[in-house]
Amino acid sequence: QIQLVQSGADVKKPGASVKLSCKASGYTFTAYYIHWVRQAPGHGLEYMGIIYPSGGTTYYAQNFQGRLTLTRNTSTATVYMELSGLSADDTAIYYCATASTGKPLGYWGQGTLVTVSS
Amino acid sequence: DIQVTQSPSSLSASVGDRVIITCRASQVISNSLAWYQQKPGRAPNLLVYATSKLESGVPSRFSGSGSGADYTLTISGLQPEDFATYYCQQYYSVPQTFGRGTKVEVK
Repeated sequence: QIQLVQSGADVKKPGASVKLSCKASGYTFTAYYIHWVRQAPGHGLEYMGIIYPSGGTTYYAQNFQGRLTLTRNTSTATVYMELSGLSADDTAIYYCATASTGKPLGYWGQGTLVTVSS
Repeated sequence: DIQVTQSPSSLSASVGDRVIITCRASQVISNSLAWYQQKPGRAPNLLVYATSKLESGVPSRFSGSGSGADYTLTISGLQPEDFATYYCQQYYSVPQTFGRGTKVEVK
């Protein structure tokens, strides 16, 4: 079965960067896009960006351009999400998610809480 | 970017009620509309995709409809486990934007 396992919670200071991982299993890693979505405490879902593991093509939502970098390691079936210039507003649960062809986000990681605090 | 307006932001209902949540996109999205359920402390769970197709394992009391830019999620006969927050998402184009959510609470 398709599984996405994310790295553990992290605490960062304002201005720092955070790099999270999302390890995929149960399917051909290069077949499906992996998306990143975040959710601030008590708020809704915010779409961040997408990476196509096969060629490494990425798209970043406008709110994150210049601060967000998605990369992948095909040998370990892992996608990485790096967000720089952190502020308190970046405190959130960060999810990776994937979908089989033609479908929306049917498989989600467990989420990673990132806390930004001085 | 395609904007997605979801309403209401919250509603109160009783077990057995029929609940309707609506979602309007800022442009035609050709049925590329999904609905998710999220419970506290959990990742969102896909309920409906392509406007009206139920994800495997989703009870038939959930149904989706719509076309063009306007879409609806209906829960027919609300069950205790359905009290949660629901999000719509357009996946017609990136960024795949979400509605702001509808919290379904106990009346």
